Amino acid sequence: GENVEQHPSTLSVQEGDSAVIKCTYSDSASNYFPWYKQELGKGPQLIIDIRSNVGEKKDQRIAVTLNKTAKHFSLHITETQPEDSAVYFCAARGYSTLTFGKGTMLLVSP
Amino acid sequence: EAGVVQSPRYKIIEKKQPVAFWCNPISGHNTLYWYLQNLGQGPELLIRYENEEAVDDSQLPKDRFSAERLKGVDSTLKIQPAELGDSAVYLCASSLGSREQYFGPGTRLTVT
Repeated sequence: GENVEQHPSTLSVQEGDSAVIKCTYSDSASNYFPWYKQELGKGPQLIIDIRSNVGEKKDQRIAVTLNKTAKHFSLHITETQPEDSAVYFCAARGYSTLTFGKGTMLLVSP
Repeated sequence: EAGVVQSPRYKIIEKKQPVAFWCNPISGHNTLYWYLQNLGQGPELLIRYENEEAVDDSQLPKDRFSAERLKGVDSTLKIQPAELGDSAVYLCASSLGSREQYFGPGTRLTVT
């Protein structure tokens, strides 16, 4: 089955800095890669996703890049704000099942 | 538009007792998922429904876990009997077909 590795497990940045979270996947058949943000006591919230026919996608301060050859994808957050502090999960889907990484705790200090 | 609704939000039970969780998906979403999330981990799929049919239950521990989605809308996940290791957050998600999945707030289960 699919295996998704996510790094780093924790990331601390100063407000205004950029943050990058990286994921690798094992199944070359995977074609859909969403990113979720989970705040304490809440369910995961979809923030951006990318499909295998696209190399990069942006939405305001967040962007995702995908390298299918290397089987890795990354989340980029620019101009971080304290409200960006949360746990971020990457995921990969092949036929039907989403496989999640173990998450990255992002802490943005004012 | 209302999101995925789950109840209860929190449940504390003693081991060997039964427990049930309820989920109402986003209106119009025919696909429903139950996930297990252990502390410090990502969600792991337990079961996926398309309408009322369970199409992927390979990760559901069927000796103690059961689920139903009788009319293809809301769903119930049951554990009987609960064990200490079942303490976790149980998440429900829904989607339109295989499109984006949207999660509910989850039920935090504590087994003592």
